[in-house]
Amino acid sequence: QPVLTQPPSSSASPGESARLTCTLSSDINVKNYNIYWFQQKPGSPPRFLVYYYSDSDKGLGSGVPSRFSGAKDTSANTGILLISGLQSEDEADYYCLLWATTAWVFGGGTKLTVL
Amino acid sequence: EVLLVESGGGLVQPGGSLRLSCAASGFAFRNYSMNWVRQAPGKGLEWISYISSSITTKYYAESVKGRFTISRDNGKSSLYLQMSGLRDEDTAVYYCAREYDGGDYYLLDFWGRGALVSVSS
Repeated sequence: QPVLTQPPSSSASPGESARLTCTLSSDINVKNYNIYWFQQKPGSPPRFLVYYYSDSDKGLGSGVPSRFSGAKDTSANTGILLISGLQSEDEADYYCLLWATTAWVFGGGTKLTVL
Repeated sequence: EVLLVESGGGLVQPGGSLRLSCAASGFAFRNYSMNWVRQAPGKGLEWISYISSSITTKYYAESVKGRFTISRDNGKSSLYLQMSGLRDEDTAVYYCAREYDGGDYYLLDFWGRGALVSVSS
């Protein structure tokens, strides 16, 4: 089963941009996968934010601001969530996800602090 | 409005059994695959099971294979998770999640609020 690795924590200031990463294990290639990103706040279920396959194949969840976007760094086998113009309400846990043929696989999550 | 409401959680002793339900409304339940995802206290998300809309295909995480059984009743718009041989490490909030088929992508687009299962003696 593939493994998705996320840094446990990240921080940035209001108005700045945040770049959250999700590194895939070497047995799979990020080029071949849709990478999904979810936001979760305390006491609430996860909320779908974005999915990213390529610049021509991507999507944003319903009601999700365009400040959220996805990307890939294929040289690092990594999926990326970009959040521009950080707001205090963006402070939350963020999870990446992919479908690995017979199972969904989550990353361990990153706690984003907006200082 | 799409709604998913889990029920059936509670306190159970190690080795015991429990059946979770997820009542769906606001969409054509029979047309969607469904999943169960859990989250242990203070921990991350863990996918545990999938069932196709036609009930012909089921998948399980290794951590629950052989102990948990996913099922659904399309006539009642309901999803179920029968859990047996429960262990301390099964303590978690259990979410049901709808899987949207976008053609060249799939997506867990709607989630319930979860049901808490506590396994303890």
